[in-house]
Amino acid sequence: DVKVTQSSRYLVKRTGEKVFLECVQDMDHENMFWYRQDPGLGLRLIYFSYDVKMKEKGDIPEGYSVSREKKERFSLILESTSTNQTSMYLCASRGTETANYGYTFGSGTRLTVV
Amino acid sequence: DAKTTQPPSMDCAEGRAANLPCNHSTISGNEYVYWYRQIHSQGPQYIIHGLKNNETNEMASLIITEDRKSSTLILPHATLRDTAVYYCIVRSGSGNTGKLIFGQGTTLQVKP
Repeated sequence: DVKVTQSSRYLVKRTGEKVFLECVQDMDHENMFWYRQDPGLGLRLIYFSYDVKMKEKGDIPEGYSVSREKKERFSLILESTSTNQTSMYLCASRGTETANYGYTFGSGTRLTVV
Repeated sequence: DAKTTQPPSMDCAEGRAANLPCNHSTISGNEYVYWYRQIHSQGPQYIIHGLKNNETNEMASLIITEDRKSSTLILPHATLRDTAVYYCIVRSGSGNTGKLIFGQGTTLQVKP
């Protein structure tokens, strides 16, 4: 069964701390994405990557950065957390084959910044 | 990508078919219709997608109207585990922008 694995289900961090959210996929997908999900706002795209070492800003990149050193791994970095970054963070991947444009999501990381 | 409109909530009796509608009147010729669902506290799960023809897989059927301005997701025999928020999304099937725009979706409550 294909998988997108996020390293943590729940995290609690203090304001100003640095946070790494890790995402690994085993489907050899080229495209990987980071979203955050907040009540009433739906899913919003933070960053995405369509190849190793490539990254593109999504709709809300401020306060975040990403790293894609290997095809299977896409990391989201919060350099200095703030309380407004409390959210559910979702990683997804997608292949480029014509018959497979569906996205596979991880289970999510619920980050609380106090 | 075209915008979609879904009812905010629906109920369905266990064992019955659940029919979830979606309007996408501004859909363009190269845009696919995707359905995802999200069970509480989990990531969204892909269900099915289609372009023009009706599609069926082990999870559901997708019926797209001839003018492609609306579609219906059918869960043929709903179970309690199908209780979730269902999202209808329209986007181009090509390109790398990867921007899935999730609206508010339909909260389906399957009742015993």
